[in-house]
Amino acid sequence: DTGVSQDPRHKITKRGQNVTFRCDPISEHNRLYWYRQTLGQGPEFLTYFQNEAQLEKSRLLSDRFSAERPKGSFSTLEIQRTEQGDSAMYLCASSSWGEQFFGPGTRLTVL
Amino acid sequence: SQQGEEDPQALSIQEGENATMNCSYKTSINNLQWYRQNSGRGLVHLILIRSNEREKHSGRLRVTLDTSKKSSSLLITASRAADTASYFCATDGGGETSGSRLTFGEGTQLTVNP
Repeated sequence: DTGVSQDPRHKITKRGQNVTFRCDPISEHNRLYWYRQTLGQGPEFLTYFQNEAQLEKSRLLSDRFSAERPKGSFSTLEIQRTEQGDSAMYLCASSSWGEQFFGPGTRLTVL
Repeated sequence: SQQGEEDPQALSIQEGENATMNCSYKTSINNLQWYRQNSGRGLVHLILIRSNEREKHSGRLRVTLDTSKKSSSLLITASRAADTASYFCATDGGGETSGSRLTFGEGTQLTVNP
């Protein structure tokens, strides 16, 4: 257990539905990251927060994706109008500097 | 595209043997990190090596970094069945992206047979 928690751990949804994931980082970490991982691949960067400011977004993050970190603590990642191609493991990580500590991930299956 | 590329893609060894995995990358880096992932689980941080370091040890792990060749290696000595996992290298780019995104390779699947 790294101290980063994610909820839910698994989500099954139908195409077209909206889903929201939550990440609680290690409390003293000011940086929070979202990654997506598909089977057999390494994680791919989605977006990054320093405190409450979203400082970087990957071009993988289409208009259907939005992430927030309203008080600089927990973060949410919302996917609107889900597509089958969104099926993946969504990983959250936090850091103060250097090492990033990952949560267990949320596995999304879009039917 | 992925920055890091691990080699080999899969490695199968007997318990007690050493396992060596390699990683190559393309652009300048601030640091390089190695992670382990058990099937379907989150990533566990193993070791971080900075761009001005050449070698680092942690328990049974030894990491080397050659910035002139843009490559790194991870050596696991005296392997155990519990070391069976996927191993990823990840680079933290220098300059403006330092401390932000990690760029991962596709990983090496290590199987340690009892």
